[in-house]
Amino acid sequence: DAGVTQSPTHLIKTRGQQVTLRCSPKSGHDTVSWYQQALGQGPQFIFQYYEEEERQRGNFPDRFSGHQFPNYSSELNVNALLLGDSALYLCASNIRGLGYGYTFGSGTRLTVV
Amino acid sequence: GEDVEQSLFLSVREGDSSVINCTYTDSSSTYLYWYKQEPGAGLQLLTYIFSNMDMKQDQRLTVLLNKKDKHLSLRIADTQTGDSAIYFCAESPLSGGYNKLIFGAGTRLAVHP
Repeated sequence: DAGVTQSPTHLIKTRGQQVTLRCSPKSGHDTVSWYQQALGQGPQFIFQYYEEEERQRGNFPDRFSGHQFPNYSSELNVNALLLGDSALYLCASNIRGLGYGYTFGSGTRLTVV
Repeated sequence: GEDVEQSLFLSVREGDSSVINCTYTDSSSTYLYWYKQEPGAGLQLLTYIFSNMDMKQDQRLTVLLNKKDKHLSLRIADTQTGDSAIYFCAESPLSGGYNKLIFGAGTRLAVHP
């Protein structure tokens, strides 16, 4: 049984560009969350999707947007990239309402130059 | 508010016990978590504790929860060099039926011979 899979694993983008990161949740999970982990820091919550709608959002600008598809997979889009967006982006999935079943992917390392 | 605090660094001798401490703020958190992150990797769930429990033991790991003081600790017995990593404490505040994870900055555990 595959866990949470994320693609790509590494990405280099230029300031001002746009990027899309992808996530497939663990089988049986219906809720997907995205986190940003800057170097030397703990993960910060970006947003959470359930039934193809954004349900919660952290303190991130509108440049960060997302989508969830009918098969529960999800995308994170970041527009107008800044150097400060360089980070490890982690996707987590769980079953809505069950607070103990979070599973994280290995992340996408985004470098903005 | 939502905030999780941890000490940043802990150094122990191989074979000794390690104790990592954490304080959190949100009393609505149903579960509290400990995650492990090795260099360049994603987050690995070590253990979690339900908020109405005081203690949970899982092989070498013991979690203690003081709900009154909002204090969580992780004890690793017989610490090995393979335990060297960053350990994150996380709370899971509930909002509108949805949980998100709020992480501390992480405690870097260094195990020396």
